[in-house]
Amino acid sequence: DGGITQSPKYLFRKEGQNVTLSCEQNLNHDAMYWYRQDPGQGLRLIYYSQIVNDFQKGDIAEGYSVSREKKESFPLTVTSAQKNPTAFYLCASSMGVGGLGEQFFGPGTRLTVL
Amino acid sequence: AQSVAQPEDQVNVAEGNPLTVKCTYSVSGNPYLFWYVQYPNRGLQFLLKYITGDNLVKGSYGFEAEFNKSQTSFHLKKPSALVSDSALYFCAVRDSGGGYQKVTFGTGTKLQVIP
Repeated sequence: DGGITQSPKYLFRKEGQNVTLSCEQNLNHDAMYWYRQDPGQGLRLIYYSQIVNDFQKGDIAEGYSVSREKKESFPLTVTSAQKNPTAFYLCASSMGVGGLGEQFFGPGTRLTVL
Repeated sequence: AQSVAQPEDQVNVAEGNPLTVKCTYSVSGNPYLFWYVQYPNRGLQFLLKYITGDNLVKGSYGFEAEFNKSQTSFHLKKPSALVSDSALYFCAVRDSGGGYQKVTFGTGTKLQVIP
């Protein structure tokens, strides 16, 4: 099956800890994205990557970091600097510059800070 | 800056009745428009898109959307609602220009289909 996988589905973090959320795709897409979803606020873009070894900050990048060492993988680290990390995190991918913008989403990771 | 407005936080409709979920947008160039659906604790699923051509776009699960350039709207419609259509619906827009174009999502509309 082609698609995007995210792990874990649920994640609990203590104050002051860094945690890493996994995102893998086998769609051969160039572009990948991380969104944060909070009730009533829609999706807010954290980081995006148009190609391997390159990524750009989105609208709410503070307290987050990413890497794009492989085309298939775009992990997100939520650092202790993120003051309110409890949220639902969604990873997505798209064809990239040559595509029309349609994005394919993973099932999400729900992060809770204890 | 581009934007998307979904003016209704929630839409209630009786099963079997037609449904409409509203979306208006603002973009500097020509728009590419999308609708997605999200079931609880799941990722978003693509429903349909408007790129160019016919203003009435047909998508998955019997949904369709009508692009109206003069009203800058892209309302989602279905002739006969099912209980299983109950979910959160997101409208999204991007500019049709070349290079990287950010996709902006609306805040979502919860659709409740009442049996």
